[in-house]
Amino acid sequence: SAVISQKPSRDICQRGTSLTIQCQVDSQVTMMFWYRQQPGQSLTLIATANQGSEATYESGFVIDKFPISRPNLTFSTLTVSNMSPEDSSIYLCSASGRGGPVGEQYFGPGTRLTVT
Amino acid sequence: QKEVEQNSGPLSVPEGAIASLNCTYSDRGSQSFFWYRQYSGKSPELIMFIYSNGDKEDGRFTAQLNKASQYVSLLIRDSQPSDSATYLCAVKINDYKLSFGAGTTVTVRA
Repeated sequence: SAVISQKPSRDICQRGTSLTIQCQVDSQVTMMFWYRQQPGQSLTLIATANQGSEATYESGFVIDKFPISRPNLTFSTLTVSNMSPEDSSIYLCSASGRGGPVGEQYFGPGTRLTVT
Repeated sequence: QKEVEQNSGPLSVPEGAIASLNCTYSDRGSQSFFWYRQYSGKSPELIMFIYSNGDKEDGRFTAQLNKASQYVSLLIRDSQPSDSATYLCAVKINDYKLSFGAGTTVTVRA
């Protein structure tokens, strides 16, 4: 299984500012994903980070609000832009070494974001 | 209809008992099913995955899949206090995305 790290682990930000979250995998992976988990809720997929091309966003999430980069097969960033208190959540990066029906996803430790 | 539904918790079981968690899914074409364990304040940890009908055992955990009934379950035998966590059922859709259930919180009473 892949070992995934995220930075920062937590942050408190003022509304209107932006925060970039970094995700590093210890090996090359095919797929990387960004999720949001609000308090007491399950995981919601924000987008799939595609290496060398624009991310694929899920319904309700847009690039202007959550720009994503994936410059190589081990690294991705998610930016939460123009933050509001509603963006307070845990943001999770995940990775899968292979696509298709048999690819398992592993998660990073998460970034706990509080917007004041 | 939600893509993935789990039996609502919380589920409280005595130490040493079997905890049974259930999950149903709506997409009959789904092929891959995953169980994650999430401790409070931590990220989800993959504990089981199953692709074929029937049972798959790993230590004290058994995953059961019935594609005809669109049903997947997780049994935890000899439950321990350390098993107290939220268990998330996930179904792979479109060959790469996971759809998660709401989770079932399990408490093992010592």
